[in-house]
Amino acid sequence: SQTIHQWPATLVQPVGSPLSLECTVEGTSNPNLYWYRQAAGRGLQLLFYSVGIGQISSEVPQNLSASRPQDRQFILSSKKLLLSDSGFYLCAWSRRGNEKLFFGSGTQLSVL
Amino acid sequence: QQPVQSPQAVILREGEDAVINCSSSKALYSVHWYRQKHGEAPVFLMILLKGGEQKGHEKISASFNEKKQQSSLYLTASQLSYSGTYFCGTETTGGFKTIFGAGTRLFVKA
Repeated sequence: SQTIHQWPATLVQPVGSPLSLECTVEGTSNPNLYWYRQAAGRGLQLLFYSVGIGQISSEVPQNLSASRPQDRQFILSSKKLLLSDSGFYLCAWSRRGNEKLFFGSGTQLSVL
Repeated sequence: QQPVQSPQAVILREGEDAVINCSSSKALYSVHWYRQKHGEAPVFLMILLKGGEQKGHEKISASFNEKKQQSSLYLTASQLSYSGTYFCGTETTGGFKTIFGAGTRLFVKA
C-alpha cells in the first residue's frame, strides 16, 4: 500500500533562518507531488507541484522554492524565512491528474 | 482561479441536512471534496468527473453540473462526526493541479 511521510510535525524558526521540509512517498512510482500551505483558519493554497523528477511548477511567487531530487521525494525550502511564511504545510500526492489527493500529516511552521 | 464555496459556515443540530456549494469561473474536468478536522490533514470524500455524475458515500453525496461549472455536497441526517471544514477542489481539463476553495466550516451540535 502507498504511504506518504512528512516531517517534522512542528517547527519553530526565527525570522531570517533557512527552511527545509521533506516529503517522501512509498509504494508507488512517478506520482504527482504537491505542496500546499494553509494559514490559520484559511483555505489550502497550492504552492508547487511536480509531475516528474526535476520538474517543478510554481503557483505563487514567494519566498519559497521546491525541488524533486528523486522520484518520490519532494522538498520545500527557503533561504530566509519571513513572518508571513508561518502556516500549516501539507505535502500531497496523486497518481495522475484528476485523481484524489493523498495528504501527509502536515508540518505546523511558526516563524517568530 | 480559486473556486467559490458557500456558505462560509453552517451550524446544524444532529439529524439535520446541509448543502455546500462550489462554483468556478473556469470549465472544469473534475471536482474533489475533502473534510478537514482541526490540526489534521484533509481527508478525501469523493471525486466527480466531467459527465454530470452524482456520487454517494454513506449519507454524504455530491453532484457536478459541468455546464454550470458547479458542484454541491449534500449531507443528510448529520452526525456529530461530520463537524469540520469542507473543501472543494477543482481541476481543469489537462491540468495536473487541484485548486481549493476557501472552505465551509460545519458544526454539528447534539
